[in-house]
Amino acid sequence: DVKVTQSSRYLVKRTGEKVFLECVQDMDHENMFWYRQDPGLGLRLIYFSYDVKMKEKGDIPEGYSVSREKKERFSLILESASTNQTSMYLCASSLWDQGTGETQYFGPGTRLLVL
Amino acid sequence: EDQVTQSPEALRLQEGESSSLNCSYTVSGLRGLFWYRQDPGKGPEFLFTLYSAGEEKEKERLKATLTKKESFLHITAPKPEDSATYLCAVQGRRAGNNRKLIWGLGTSLAVNP
Repeated sequence: DVKVTQSSRYLVKRTGEKVFLECVQDMDHENMFWYRQDPGLGLRLIYFSYDVKMKEKGDIPEGYSVSREKKERFSLILESASTNQTSMYLCASSLWDQGTGETQYFGPGTRLLVL
Repeated sequence: EDQVTQSPEALRLQEGESSSLNCSYTVSGLRGLFWYRQDPGKGPEFLFTLYSAGEEKEKERLKATLTKKESFLHITAPKPEDSATYLCAVQGRRAGNNRKLIWGLGTSLAVNP
């Protein structure tokens, strides 16, 4: 079974703090993704990576950065947390197949509260 | 523009009362349509991938079908443990950023005992 783990289930941070969210997958997947999920807005893609040290902006990258130094680990960084970044953060990983696309497998999520 | 619309937003069923959830999509060449289940406070759990019109897949009480414009998730004789939000997503063949999934907002299903 694919396993995607996230470093924290719940986090409480202060405005202006630097926040690190860690994600690890154990299936040697090439692709990794960071989403945030908010009521009424659904899942929105922040950043994704299709190889080590590679990153691509998603739909809402502002205020975030990412790091992928190893294939199994993808980190999301909030450089200076703001209250509008209070959300559920979800990490996913997948394998890409040219013919059939890909299936994304999700971690349990990190619920972040910024005060 | 690629788009996914799920209906209804919320559905309440009695245990044993079969029904269907709808996912309508517009995409530039469908590469895959995905169904996920999400329990409150947890990450989405993968259910099915459908690739071409006419395809069907089943898992326990769930059956997913696909046409050129929409997909249905049929729930037969649901149980309370089927209560969850069901998410639909599509992936297109458009050149460039084609690894992205386009997500619907989900259908929140409640099954009463």
